[in-house]
Amino acid sequence: NAGVTQTPKFRVLKTGQSMTLLCAQDMNHEYMYWYRQDPGMGLRLIHYSVGEGTTAKGEVPDGYNVSRLKKQNFLLGLESAAPSQTSVYFCASSYSFQEAFFGQGTRLTVV
Amino acid sequence: AQTVTQSQPEMSVQEAETVTLSCTYDTSESDYYLFWYKQPPSRQMILVIRQEAYKQQNATENRFSVNFQKAAKSFSLKISDSQLGDAAMYFCAYRTYTGNQFYFGTGTSLTVIP
Repeated sequence: NAGVTQTPKFRVLKTGQSMTLLCAQDMNHEYMYWYRQDPGMGLRLIHYSVGEGTTAKGEVPDGYNVSRLKKQNFLLGLESAAPSQTSVYFCASSYSFQEAFFGQGTRLTVV
Repeated sequence: AQTVTQSQPEMSVQEAETVTLSCTYDTSESDYYLFWYKQPPSRQMILVIRQEAYKQQNATENRFSVNFQKAAKSFSLKISDSQLGDAAMYFCAYRTYTGNQFYFGTGTSLTVIP
């Protein structure tokens, strides 16, 4: 019973490089989310999706793009990484009227 | 706009004692969910307890219980008989019945002293 799986778990990027974080869930959840966690700031929503083929901006979307081509997958892309994007990234999924289930997080460092 | 406030960045408790973590929220909705999540050093976010706003009875899960005061928009977490494994960051979160988003507080770091 995998739940929510994020890959990779750790990554170091150089400024200007691009990368994609993959989130996969096996619970048939409609909703999926990408958050970033920074010290003293809690979890801030980057983008979210309410179903296959749909995405929406959250609180801090600048510099990120997302796609949800399949219901079980939600991809987060950084086209040109900046040091300000150094953070821990969490993917989560849920049904309506339910708590969010989280992946293990990805620690990203941009140098 | 919905906001969640955790006014205690850090708390500490002696092992076997009781500690209460505070959370307040701001909303104009009448129906919603509230949650407490635990994040240990492993980084994994773990659901501790949930409360539906329409339920007057406070939720309880073993040593964890909440004090839900809807009129005051307060949702505190009480941990009884604290254990070393309770040491973690705790996040309060809010979700409306019809909303797509979860709103999180900034977290409270709990230290358990042996």
